[in-house]
Amino acid sequence: GAVVSQHPSRVICKSGTSVKIECRSLDFQATTMFWYRQFPKKSLMLMATSNEGSKATYEQGVEKDKFLINHASLTLSTLTVTSAHPEDSSFYICSARGSGDRVAYEQYFGPGTRLTVT
Amino acid sequence: QKEVEQDPGPLSVPEGAIVSLNCTYSNSAFQYFMWYRQYSRKGPELLMYTYSSGNKEDGRFTAQVDKSSKYISLFIRDSQPSDSATYLCAMRAAAGNKLTFGGGTRVLVKP
Repeated sequence: GAVVSQHPSRVICKSGTSVKIECRSLDFQATTMFWYRQFPKKSLMLMATSNEGSKATYEQGVEKDKFLINHASLTLSTLTVTSAHPEDSSFYICSARGSGDRVAYEQYFGPGTRLTVT
Repeated sequence: QKEVEQDPGPLSVPEGAIVSLNCTYSNSAFQYFMWYRQYSRKGPELLMYTYSSGNKEDGRFTAQVDKSSKYISLFIRDSQPSDSATYLCAMRAAAGNKLTFGGGTRVLVKP
């Protein structure tokens, strides 16, 4: 139990284009999902917290118009990087907070998406 | 000073040895403590979670929390080369959602 998937696992896009990353909880419902960014050999940096059916809460310094988050269902959240630039190149990881009897009430992470903007 | 301090390593041990990892923290509001394992270019995997002080054991893994000292530990017995990864401690307050992570410790288990 507690499997979280992300798609795509790797994406290369041109500067100025937009990229959408999907995060799905496969075997549990997640009322809350989180989006992180991780730089090489660094820890995770929380970008935003998203609750199903409501607007995401962004961390200080994260541009909400650039990183659009939609959490339309209990098993799916999406992150869209709009007008991507090379400095947006990074490893993006989502997590879903577990609920129910079979999973702990903690965050379970997806495998990550490597974004490269050329 | 960071809220959660974790030695970045690398920590190199021979196969079969005990791996000892720890984190210190400053926020006394933290009540829930987690350890995640992250392989290169992968997402973190939840290994252990503990509420408040005490010990918890799961297979080769033992997590300890000492709230009075604001110190948490993870021990890996009979370490294997497949345990080579970065280990992240994380914690949160009872009422909050957000996790505060340590910087991670890179562990190398040599055959």
